[in-house]
Order: sequence, then structure tokens, then C-alpha cells
Amino acid sequence: QITLKESGPTLVKPTQTLTLTCTFSGFSLSTSGVGVGWIRQPPGKALEWLALTYWDDDQRYSPSLKSRLTITKDTSKDQVVLTMTNMDPLDTATYYCAHIRVRHYDSNGRSSSFDYWGQGTLVTVSS
Amino acid sequence: SHELTQPPSVSVSPGQTARITCSGDALLKQYVYWYQQKPGQAPVLLIYKDTERPSGIPERFSGSTSGTTITLTITGVQAEDEADYYCQSGDSSGFYTVFGGGTKVTVL
Repeated sequence: QITLKESGPTLVKPTQTLTLTCTFSGFSLSTSGVGVGWIRQPPGKALEWLALTYWDDDQRYSPSLKSRLTITKDTSKDQVVLTMTNMDPLDTATYYCAHIRVRHYDSNGRSSSFDYWGQGTLVTVSS
Repeated sequence: SHELTQPPSVSVSPGQTARITCSGDALLKQYVYWYQQKPGQAPVLLIYKDTERPSGIPERFSGSTSGTTITLTITGVQAEDEADYYCQSGDSSGFYTVFGGGTKVTVL
């Protein structure tokens, strides 16, 4: 059974750095075709992909947020950490981590689905 | 902005068919994945690779493709299907992940 859980602060001040940890079980990030991604959702708004890391250390970031994000994985601890710098009230959102499964490879790249999601954690940015 | 375009809302009566579209130029080359999100819950994968259904997903959910438009169809809508639906794919480069803006399905 695959489970994921996000943890971190619920409240951060503007300009601070947010650090979120995704602790998972039921799979290994050493397994080919597997990854973990981060997605956020501002209140009442749509999902927004932030970053992901694959089993082979391939890491990708949303182009619009790339300068502020860092994703790291600790395979021995079954954890993935996302840091986001220079937080702003517009970053207030529920942050989800999700298990990724690569469904297809070809010249157009890797096509992946988010198969299992954590419950999400609401992060509020306010002074 | 979203590279994937979805209608903001769809309304349907119980037992009828709901169709939700997802459009984008990249969809000629990229697969689409569909998620259902109910209020206060995390999204759930409904359809992968345009038309495939994961185990445990009811057969009334299906996907189809036509060029740059991918459609999620809910046949015989039930009250419990009232939710937000999101499509997800790769961008035109295939390197980045994108979500559509979401479609709210209301069961009348």
C-alpha cells in the first residue's frame, strides 16, 4: 500500500523560506520508473505543478518558479524535501506530494501520472 | 496561464452523460491524465494515457482523443460524481508537467 504524507510549517512570513517534507511508504525511489512530485493548489483555484524528482536523479522544476525551488530526495529515509525561497502571500496554498509513475517513454520525453497523493498541507503566508 | 484549456464548468442531470474537454497543441505528442477532486480531498487518478482506466475506477469514466482535444466522458452520471476534474500532460517540449484549469461538474 502506497502512502505519502506532507509535513512542514502551516504559517510562514513573507520573504522566509518554506521547507516541506514528503514521507512515503510502499515504494522505493530507487525503483525504475518511479518519482515523487510536488503540486500546490491556492484556495479555490487550480492545481499547479511545482517540481519532481525521478529514480535516476532527473529533477525538473516549473519554469515560472524554478529560481525559488529546490527538490531533494533521501532514498534511505523514503523522503523528498521541497524548499521554496522568498515566500509571498500569493504562495498561500495546499501543497501536495504525489507518487509518480512513468507511463511512457519516447522521443517526446517521459509521460508520467501522479498515481497516489498525500492528504496535502495548507501553508499560509502572512506577517 | 495554462497550456491546457478546460471549460470552467459542466452541468448534467443524473443518469445523463457529461463530457469534459482538454485542449492544447502539445496534446498531439503528449498523453493526457485525468484527475477527480472532491471538496477537501486530494485528487484521484481517473484516466491515464488518454484512455486507460486504473483498477478500481468505475467503467462509467472513459477517455477519448481527437487531435489536440482529449475528452473525459462520464456515462450515467451519479450524484457522487460532482467534483472538480483536472487534465494533466506534458508541455510542448515534453520536459515539464502542466495541469489544465479544471472543470467543475455539477449534478443537477
